[in-house]
Amino acid sequence: QSVLTQPPSASGTPGQRVTISCSGGGSNIGGNTVNWYQQLPGTAPKLLIYTNNQRPSGVPDRFSGSKSGTSASLAISGLQSEDETTYYCATWDDSLNGVVFGGGTKLTVL
Amino acid sequence: EVQLVQSGAEVMKPGATVKISCKVSGYRFTDYYIHWVQQAPGKGLEWMGLVDPEDVDPIYAEQFQGRVTITADTSTDTADMELNSLTSEDTAVYYCATGRRGSEMYVFDYWGQGTLVTVSS
Repeated sequence: QSVLTQPPSASGTPGQRVTISCSGGGSNIGGNTVNWYQQLPGTAPKLLIYTNNQRPSGVPDRFSGSKSGTSASLAISGLQSEDETTYYCATWDDSLNGVVFGGGTKLTVL
Repeated sequence: EVQLVQSGAEVMKPGATVKISCKVSGYRFTDYYIHWVQQAPGKGLEWMGLVDPEDVDPIYAEQFQGRVTITADTSTDTADMELNSLTSEDTAVYYCATGRRGSEMYVFDYWGQGTLVTVSS
């Protein structure tokens, strides 16, 4: 059971906007910033969003992040077929004194 | 170009100890922390711990405490992760990743390619 809760799956059609939620508590999301990772099958995760809403160089602006209270969201606009993969949220947990991940959300582009 | 190159796949017996290395290049080794992340087949990411190459004391996740040892060698720009008392549940891909200094220590900018560890009798 992951400390952060993500929906196991999400879907959308090409061009659509989809959001993936990440829910936590006061010791993690409530007090720390959230990062998002994209993992293509058979490859290492890739940093997609950091510090709630910052995009690393090279990440398209179709990807955006937000945080409110003890929840965070990843939004993908103008959905493309290559976005079909798994997304993870992560943050620091002050009670556990470590990094915690969400269980991952598998995004399907219909 | 920043690169984290991990050692190759391992097949281990139950009860054994595995050691995986992560050699970095393209940046000053002490500029980033090194984290280790476990991913069992078909499962999500699980953080194992981190080491500050400038510091002696690593931080370990509670579920791995007592079984994992993470070290960093500034003479070879290499971080190692050793996991003992292996069981079939430790069959997984293990990743090393960099963590920024300061409040963003858990932002993983760069990742190794992953090392598959298979535990089987």
